[in-house]
Amino acid sequence: EAGVAQSPRYKIIEKRQSVAFWCNPISGHATLYWYQQILGQGPKLLIQFQNNGVVDDSQLPKDRFSAERLKGVDSTLKIQPAKLEDSAVYLCASSWTGQVTGELFFGEGSRLTVL
Amino acid sequence: GENVEQHPSTLSVQEGDSAVIKCTYSDSASNYFPWYKQELGKRPQLIIDIRSNVGEKKDQRIAVTLNKTAKHFSLHITETQPEDSAVYFCAASRTTGNQFYFGTGTSLTVIP
Repeated sequence: EAGVAQSPRYKIIEKRQSVAFWCNPISGHATLYWYQQILGQGPKLLIQFQNNGVVDDSQLPKDRFSAERLKGVDSTLKIQPAKLEDSAVYLCASSWTGQVTGELFFGEGSRLTVL
Repeated sequence: GENVEQHPSTLSVQEGDSAVIKCTYSDSASNYFPWYKQELGKRPQLIIDIRSNVGEKKDQRIAVTLNKTAKHFSLHITETQPEDSAVYFCAASRTTGNQFYFGTGTSLTVIP
């Protein structure tokens, strides 16, 4: 079974520039998550989708971050304009829906460095 | 929302000794508690989980205990090996909403 795919793996940009990350979840997983993991900290939920609808985006800095999941499969997370404090690993994860809470499967992450 | 606290932040043990990591949570509706292991530069991977209808679960050298009354759960690793060295994260979730809240992580070093 293919895992969660993310790209790019690494990105270096200057502050005020924009960046986009892409995620392809495991086939059949209706729930998709974007987490921000700052060095030395635990993953922090940015946004959660179920199919193509948003379940929770309460911690997404909406003035600069946006995310979409067209057709309920792939998702894109965009940051515009980037700030220094956005330097982090952006983890995409997916899980089954329609059963008791199940395992989160993570992608390898996209490491963003903002200079 | 849920608040998950994890201790200690770093832990060093001699090979063969046991390691214990503890987490507390705030939302009494949380009913699923997974533990993830993250090796340097790699993705977090599930190593064990426990649901609220049981108090303990064991898988070879790894065990997890849950005290719902006190709202805390712990990871126990026995006979530690150097390959156990990694960052471990606890998480809490409830079925409604399927949201996961993570602790801040414990960096475990097993000294050969």
